[in-house]
Amino acid sequence: SYVLTQPPSVSVAPGQTATITCGGTNIGDRGVHWYQQKAGQAPVLVVYDASVRPSGIPERFSGSSFGNMATLTISRVEAGDEADFYCQVWDSTFEGVFGGGTKLTVL
Amino acid sequence: QITLKESGPTLVKPTQTLTLTCTFSGFSLTPSGVGVGWIRQSPGKALEWLALIFGDDDKRYSPSLKSRLTITKDTSKNQVVLTMTNMDPLDTATYYCARKPVASTRFDYWGQGTLVTISS
Repeated sequence: SYVLTQPPSVSVAPGQTATITCGGTNIGDRGVHWYQQKAGQAPVLVVYDASVRPSGIPERFSGSSFGNMATLTISRVEAGDEADFYCQVWDSTFEGVFGGGTKLTVL
Repeated sequence: QITLKESGPTLVKPTQTLTLTCTFSGFSLTPSGVGVGWIRQSPGKALEWLALIFGDDDKRYSPSLKSRLTITKDTSKNQVVLTMTNMDPLDTATYYCARKPVASTRFDYWGQGTLVTISS
């Protein structure tokens, strides 16, 4: 089955840029989506189809995907951005796959 | 306004069958490309995709749990039901339902989740 690999944690100071990666075979050819999950809350879609931001999501959130890596970038990080982030794709048999999640800590 | 809400037991004994209901509003599950899926999250762990049902009644299951899962829909009630058999303490988790829109593989709206504890 398809595997998505994320770093367990990323730390960044307020105002800096956070980069969260999601590795998978030829992930650049798939629709990859990113979710933010704050403590005790349900996940929220922040980027879909690699680089599209849903309505209401700040422009500080952006994404890209090429080759075997997808990236979620959060610019001008704020304390309120602290959360777990998950990438997600569908595999070739249309079964859902989530990455292991990345905990973003704002220093 | 699109909403989804999970309901079901909070405590289930080992070996029993879990039945969860997702009641949604603001969209129809009739178009074939729309879907409602179930995702769970064990305490402190990552999201795990379980199952998805499309408007045309096509169904997909997690390969590792396929033998234990059944997903059905009642379009007239705007509900999707997930049953999981032979529950184990390791199945203790928050269970979420979420919508998959037409022509997309994302989950754009999620329920608040329901915590299910498996214990005797």
